Amino acid sequence: QKEVEQDPGPLSVPEGAIVSLNCTYSNSAFQYFMWYRQYSRKGPELLMYTYSSGNKEDGRFTAQVDKSSKYISLFIRDSQPSDSATYLCAVYGGSQGNLIFGKGTKLSVKP
Amino acid sequence: DVKVTQSSRYLVKRTGEKVFLECVQDMDHENMFWYRQDPGLGLRLIYFSYDVKMKEKGDIPEGYSVSREKKERFSLILESASTNQTSMYLCASRASYQETQYFGPGTRLLVL
Repeated sequence: QKEVEQDPGPLSVPEGAIVSLNCTYSNSAFQYFMWYRQYSRKGPELLMYTYSSGNKEDGRFTAQVDKSSKYISLFIRDSQPSDSATYLCAVYGGSQGNLIFGKGTKLSVKP
Repeated sequence: DVKVTQSSRYLVKRTGEKVFLECVQDMDHENMFWYRQDPGLGLRLIYFSYDVKMKEKGDIPEGYSVSREKKERFSLILESASTNQTSMYLCASRASYQETQYFGPGTRLLVL
């Protein structure tokens, strides 16, 4: 079982839709969770950072961690065409304290 | 703001050439990383360094080497480029007291 699994999509939604992006992870010891956004032909940029369980909100973005089911989610409200990108989940806690990334979900928001 | 820069956005090289990819960060981060990113395979860690002159192998170090002579600079070297090293190369850095990594813009390398 891979340590972090993420549905690669692609996911296509109309403008204004609520988007839900999800990852599962295998190691219950993981405590730090991140979402990165990567525009085409650019480097990933940190979008959200969460410690342990619960929700964190930043504008139209909400990151949610459910440690009991080892499930992390990113919700985007009122999605915009500018949200079109690949979203990578990441957990901190690899064998040498590195990040473990999901493979990314490609999102397209159609005007 | 953290700034991670990479020496080239695009590179075209011939098979067998020695290739140098340079990465510089301006935030005094102790840890630096090199990844490659390929469609369907995601980000894969090549090498990382937690201090000057220190290096550790990641998941796919074969065919690569690294150099870290100064804290702010981390170089990835392809000793003899091959076509299967055509990829997007991403550098990242992290402070020792943080969990998050900050990425550069990437270098798209094409080996012919």
